[in-house]
Amino acid sequence: DFVMTQSPLSLPVTLGQTASISCRSSQSLVNSDGNTYLTWLHQRPGQSPRRLIYKVSNRDSGVPDRFSGSGSGTDFTLQISGVEAEDVGVYYCMEGKNWPITFGQGTRLEIK
Amino acid sequence: EVQLVESGGGLVQPGGSLRLSCTASGFSFSTTWMHWVRQVPGKGLVWVSRIRNDGSNAIYADSVKGRFTISRDNAKNTLYLQMNSLRAEDTAVYYCTRDNYYSPDYWGQGTLVTVSS
Repeated sequence: DFVMTQSPLSLPVTLGQTASISCRSSQSLVNSDGNTYLTWLHQRPGQSPRRLIYKVSNRDSGVPDRFSGSGSGTDFTLQISGVEAEDVGVYYCMEGKNWPITFGQGTRLEIK
Repeated sequence: EVQLVESGGGLVQPGGSLRLSCTASGFSFSTTWMHWVRQVPGKGLVWVSRIRNDGSNAIYADSVKGRFTISRDNAKNTLYLQMNSLRAEDTAVYYCTRDNYYSPDYWGQGTLVTVSS
């Protein structure tokens, strides 16, 4: 089974600062079709998750461009450039092509 | 507008059964794979099951295999999760999600399942 390990698990950030979250997989996520199905989700307190990024670096419609995804193989990063108050909550990475589908533990972002 | 609305959650005794439903609108349900994901309040997300658009190739997490069954009725734009032999550890909010690029892009509001005597 794939294991997705996020770090840090808690991320206190000052408004306007840049935040980076790491996601590491126990195996390469490069699929036989050449794609890498790494997704980033954001869950605000009391809300359902929302997808931000799919296939490593593709931002969903309506997602601010301060969110960016990068990485390859087993190492991936979500970067938030200029954190805003609405960015608080938990961020999850996940891999959706292989069974079982696996989520990272989540990284809780809070404003200092 | 894409909408996913779950229903059917509630309190059930250990060993009991429950069927969750997810009514979809705003997209072509019959051409879309769907998932169930659960979350213990205050904890992380855990994938439960996935079904292809035509109802084939249902897959499950080991923790629910043999007890849960995912299904769909494309004529009713509805996804189901039949949960049998429920255990206390199945207590969670259950989300219905739409698959897009092997990735859940839209999520319902969730329905709470509590397994307790």
